[in-house]
Amino acid sequence: GQQLNQSPQSMFIQEGEDVSMNCTSSSIFNTWLWYKQDPGEGPVLLIALYKAGELTSNGRLTAQFGITRKDSFLNISASIPSDVGIYFCAGQLGYGGSQGNLIFGKGTKLSVKP
Amino acid sequence: DAGVIQSPRHEVTEMGQEVTLRCKPISGHDYLFWYRQTMMRGLELLIYFNNNVPIDDSGMPEDRFSAKMPNASFSTLKIQPSEPRDSAVYFCASRRPGADTQYFGPGTRLTVL
Repeated sequence: GQQLNQSPQSMFIQEGEDVSMNCTSSSIFNTWLWYKQDPGEGPVLLIALYKAGELTSNGRLTAQFGITRKDSFLNISASIPSDVGIYFCAGQLGYGGSQGNLIFGKGTKLSVKP
Repeated sequence: DAGVIQSPRHEVTEMGQEVTLRCKPISGHDYLFWYRQTMMRGLELLIYFNNNVPIDDSGMPEDRFSAKMPNASFSTLKIQPSEPRDSAVYFCASRRPGADTQYFGPGTRLTVL
């Protein structure tokens, strides 16, 4: 079955630093989503990507849909303590909900030192 | 608007007991998903429903697990009998028609002693 490899598994950075994480797949995806999970909560959607090569920003977050459709990247600029959490990538084969489920990566755990 | 609602938020039970987790999806959403999250295995999809019908239950670990969706606003995940290895956080998520984004509930943290 499809698998998503997400890296790094964990990051421990200084406040103010930029963060990069990525996700690669053995299959082509037509939709990429990035979620963040705060401690004790469910994952919350950060950014959705629908087109190869697409670059989308949400505040200090920027995500890109890789041109090969087999990867995606998430960057966080000028990290702050509230960026702490687990970041998940998720991919879907179809468009507009035509495929039922998402495939999730294992997550990147981000810790920020003040 | 209310998000996905799950109950209970925490459940502690003894091995062999029956456990029932509950989920109310967002109104108007036609897909409902049950996930299990552990440190070792991450987020695992257990089962999902479309318009109250189970579509894929291949992620359900074994016959001790069962899920139902009697109507569009309610679903249950039942474990009978429960075992210590079932200890995990169980999430419910829902999705509106034609969309890709899943909205997650706050989860139920299950501890089986």
